[in-house]
Amino acid sequence: EDQVTQSPEALRLQEGESSSLNCSYTVSGLRGLFWYRQDPGKGPEFLFTLYSAGEEKEKERLKATLTKKESFLHITAPKPEDSATYLCAVLLYNQGGKLIFGQGTELSVKP
Amino acid sequence: GAVVSQHPSRVICKSGTSVKIECRSLDFQATTMFWYRQFPKQSLMLMATSNEGSKATYEQGVEKDKFLINHASLTLSTLTVTSAHPEDSSFYICSAKGGATDTQYFGPGTRLTVL
Repeated sequence: EDQVTQSPEALRLQEGESSSLNCSYTVSGLRGLFWYRQDPGKGPEFLFTLYSAGEEKEKERLKATLTKKESFLHITAPKPEDSATYLCAVLLYNQGGKLIFGQGTELSVKP
Repeated sequence: GAVVSQHPSRVICKSGTSVKIECRSLDFQATTMFWYRQFPKQSLMLMATSNEGSKATYEQGVEKDKFLINHASLTLSTLTVTSAHPEDSSFYICSAKGGATDTQYFGPGTRLTVL
């Protein structure tokens, strides 16, 4: 069965304290992996798409990396405004474009 | 670019009534739209996939007669919750993708409360 697991479920950081979020997957036929950010009461906001092992994408304080079994979202020197739930999702071949989401990591950054 | 809107953002209705939620892609043509449901502190649960001009494909366990989906144009999809009951209260989110991209762009969501 195709599965996406994110860890930790919740992460509390002090402002400036860098860390990483993990997304591990067990799927057949990975086409791509996506990271989204979701604020409370809002829809997910697209961050990154990764297609190949070894690929990296960066945006401000965020960097996403991909291996054959997992992806990491590195947060460097986070700020309180980075607080949100970060969702990982995988896209498989021949599934009509459906995404399989992980449960998310709730990040809280305290000043 | 890649903006998706939803209307209404919040709706409260009485048990037994029907509610329609609109999802629009504002600056691109959405060949495929998706409808999700999200419960508090949980991830997104895909309800159905719709391609423009075709019947929607529903996920296992989702009642197609209760959750009517129409994708009549490349910029608009609607979800109608028929004969709503309190257990249908949830956060409904749509997403859209164009034909040339894998990326789904999400709307802001609609909070449905059924009294």
